[in-house]
Amino acid sequence: EVQLVESGGGLVQPGGSLRLSCAASGFTFSSYDMHWVRQATGKGLEWVSTLATAGDTYYPGSVKGRFTISRKNAKNSLYLQMNSLRAGDTAVYYCARGGGAVAGTGFDYWGQGTLVTVSS
Amino acid sequence: SYELTQPPSVSVSPGQTASITCSGDKLGDKYACWYQQKPGQSPVLVIYQDSKRPSGIPERFSGSNSGNTATLTISGTQAMDEADYYCQAWDSSHYVFGTGTKVTVL
Repeated sequence: EVQLVESGGGLVQPGGSLRLSCAASGFTFSSYDMHWVRQATGKGLEWVSTLATAGDTYYPGSVKGRFTISRKNAKNSLYLQMNSLRAGDTAVYYCARGGGAVAGTGFDYWGQGTLVTVSS
Repeated sequence: SYELTQPPSVSVSPGQTASITCSGDKLGDKYACWYQQKPGQSPVLVIYQDSKRPSGIPERFSGSNSGNTATLTISGTQAMDEADYYCQAWDSSHYVFGTGTKVTVL
């Protein structure tokens, strides 16, 4: 059974840093693109970052230069280093698995999410 | 930046058909995916590559994509289908989610 379990969320002051982790199990972690998606309370889904199996990384303009996605395949773990945090980064952060190497397969498994609150 | 627009809400009677649209520039040239999210739960992929259903997704969920519009259709809508639905596409090395549609089963 595929499982994704996020951790590392919490309360952080504006300008601070936080590192999220996602522990994966039930599949060959190294063979899949991995993603972070966030959702502010009462709002829609927002894509945050992607790490492809080949090592390519992608970010939207809203977090580029502040967030860094990484992975340790030996530990079946995905990470999101978040720096220079702002109030607008407050959200539930989900880890998600890419559906496959073929285009258009979407995000087929999601974790339960971890809440990040940026406030003084 | 690329945008995907959905109607904020759709209402449907039990057993009827619900159609949710997702509009974006030349969306038909890209693959569209759809996600269902119930309150307090994580999103679930219900359609990928425009019209394919992942294992375990009921046949009443179907999708299409042409021109500037992708459509998620729920046939024979059930009370359990009441949820928020989001479309998604990939454009210029960015993933984009739609604005979301709340489906209410009256």
